[in-house]
Amino acid sequence: AQSVTQPDIHITVSEGASLELRCNYSYGATPYLFWYVQSPGQGLQLLLKYFSGDTLVQGIKGFEAEFKRSQSSFNLRKPSVHWSDAAEYFCAVLGTGNQFYFGTGTSLTVIP
Amino acid sequence: EAGVAQSPRYKIIEKRQSVAFWCNPISGHATLYWYQQILGQGPKLLIQFQNNGVVDDSQLPKDRFSAERLKGVDSTLKIQPAKLEDSAVYLCASSNRVGYTFGSGTRLTVV
Repeated sequence: AQSVTQPDIHITVSEGASLELRCNYSYGATPYLFWYVQSPGQGLQLLLKYFSGDTLVQGIKGFEAEFKRSQSSFNLRKPSVHWSDAAEYFCAVLGTGNQFYFGTGTSLTVIP
Repeated sequence: EAGVAQSPRYKIIEKRQSVAFWCNPISGHATLYWYQQILGQGPKLLIQFQNNGVVDDSQLPKDRFSAERLKGVDSTLKIQPAKLEDSAVYLCASSNRVGYTFGSGTRLTVV
């Protein structure tokens, strides 16, 4: 069965500090992995996706993620967080039937 | 290109009332999805259409939820009667072979 686990419900970082959000997936085949960001009252915005090839994926807004098959992980990183990055972040795997399986999300707070 | 359009943006109803949501997918996207996102959780698929046919509705509470996509374009999702636990954001998405796009959602509050 497909599933995604985001172990951290809430993370607080200082502006300018580095960020890493954890994501672990369960999927039988080669996964298609995604990170979405959702601001309050807004829809889901795609940050980046991994289909194949280079395991380090660059996304928008300075985010990157690294696919590690041996660890079944797809962690999201940013070297320097901005106050505008405060939002909810969702990791997802595109499973059978072309439907998404989302994690429960990580809420990011950025303090000045 | 225009995104996935959803309406209304917000809806407040009393329990046992009925409600309907509308979605207009991206032009040319054959596949349409309805997801339910309860507060504090990730979105979960309710129903998936391929053109006007249902591909997967295994997680749709069919005793109270219904959805249709009659002409293979727009779709409506209905809840009748609503329960308190139906309070959530209802996201519509559409896809083709290249892309997958989510709408901004309809936030439903059942009181």
